[in-house]
Amino acid sequence: GAVVSQHPSRVICKSGTSVKIECRSLDFQATTMFWYRQFPKQSLMLMATSNEGSKATYEQGVEKDKFLINHASLTLSTLTVTSAHPEDSSFYICSARFGQRYEQYFGPGTRLTVT
Amino acid sequence: GENVEQHPSTLSVQEGDSAVIKCTYSDSASNYFPWYKQELGKRPQLIIDIRSNVGEKKDQRIAVTLNKTAKHFSLHITETQPEDSAVYFCAARLMDSSYKLIFGSGTRLLVRP
Repeated sequence: GAVVSQHPSRVICKSGTSVKIECRSLDFQATTMFWYRQFPKQSLMLMATSNEGSKATYEQGVEKDKFLINHASLTLSTLTVTSAHPEDSSFYICSARFGQRYEQYFGPGTRLTVT
Repeated sequence: GENVEQHPSTLSVQEGDSAVIKCTYSDSASNYFPWYKQELGKRPQLIIDIRSNVGEKKDQRIAVTLNKTAKHFSLHITETQPEDSAVYFCAARLMDSSYKLIFGSGTRLLVRP
């Protein structure tokens, strides 16, 4: 149980274009979804926290106009990287939790490469 | 805000030996401490967690200990195997209504056959 999927697993895009990443909870309704970015050999850095039907809360230093998060349902959150640049190339991972549980269940990640 | 420090950054052990990874946290109110294992290019996987009302938890070869007074917690892996080689992250729950986790910097564990 508690499976989270992400799509796509890998994406290559040209500088200046936008990319959308989907995160789905497959067998539970997610109370909260989180978006992380992970650079090579580094830890997970939280970008934003997303609750269904409300605006995402962004961490300090994360540009909300560049990283658009939509949490339209209890099972789907999307992250759109707008006007992507090579420095946005990274491993983007979502996670989800439900109810009063503390555990976060992670998606498989999306490898974004901006050329 | 919460800060989590993790040591060592790399750890190399012989197969069969034990491995210990340590983390300290800053917010004494934190009450949930998970450990994740991440293989290269894969998602972090929860391997064990502990809550602040418990001092130790064990699951087969893996154990976690928590010292609330000193604000540190440790991961213990006994009888290590080559498949234990991965990056391990500790985390602490931020004590607000967000359920956010603050992650340590990670430990790269290498188990030599």
